[in-house]
Amino acid sequence: DGGITQSPKYLFRKEGQNVTLSCEQNLNHDAMYWYRQDPGQGLRLIYYSQIVNDFQKGDIAEGYSVSREKKESFPLTVTSAQKNPTAFYLCASKGRGPSDTQYFGPGTRLTVL
Amino acid sequence: GENVEQHPSTLSVQEGDSAVIKCTYSDSASNYFPWYKQELGKRPQLIIDIRSNVGEKKDQRIAVTLNKTAKHFSLHITETQPEDSAVYFCAASESNTGKLIFGQGTTLQVKP
Repeated sequence: DGGITQSPKYLFRKEGQNVTLSCEQNLNHDAMYWYRQDPGQGLRLIYYSQIVNDFQKGDIAEGYSVSREKKESFPLTVTSAQKNPTAFYLCASKGRGPSDTQYFGPGTRLTVL
Repeated sequence: GENVEQHPSTLSVQEGDSAVIKCTYSDSASNYFPWYKQELGKRPQLIIDIRSNVGEKKDQRIAVTLNKTAKHFSLHITETQPEDSAVYFCAASESNTGKLIFGQGTTLQVKP
């Protein structure tokens, strides 16, 4: 797990502002994922990428955007179009194999003021 | 695509008792089933996983069983301790994408 970092740990945003969450991994993993977790709820997939320069929408992609220009980096932008962005955001990565272990980053807690 | 159902949503046991959490999946080609533990405010961490070539795997007080015919798998925790209190998520790998599909989570409370 120490191979995945997210920053910042806490983030406060005013309504109408875009904000970018960072996710970096040094595990040489091909696949990276972004999840959203609301209090007392499960993990909902926002976007995922299985290879550099390619990514797919998850279950709740509206109001979010991503890029995958480097293998080790998968930043998530929360746009002003996301109506209720206050949540805990988790990044994860795994190898290419279907049974490779998936590791999570420490998370970013985003609060909209 | 894959769909994973997890039960129960909450589970309360006395310290020393056993706890069992069950999951069912829909994709018969899935071959990897991990379990994650998430403590309050922390990231999910892998505690045990099982691949479809085995039916059971144990690691100290934790065991996972897999029934591929019935498409369900279970987490068993024996001699529970207060530090086992957390949210537990099961998952199954989607055969066509390799991404994990998570269950809804089970909040386990171990009472001292």
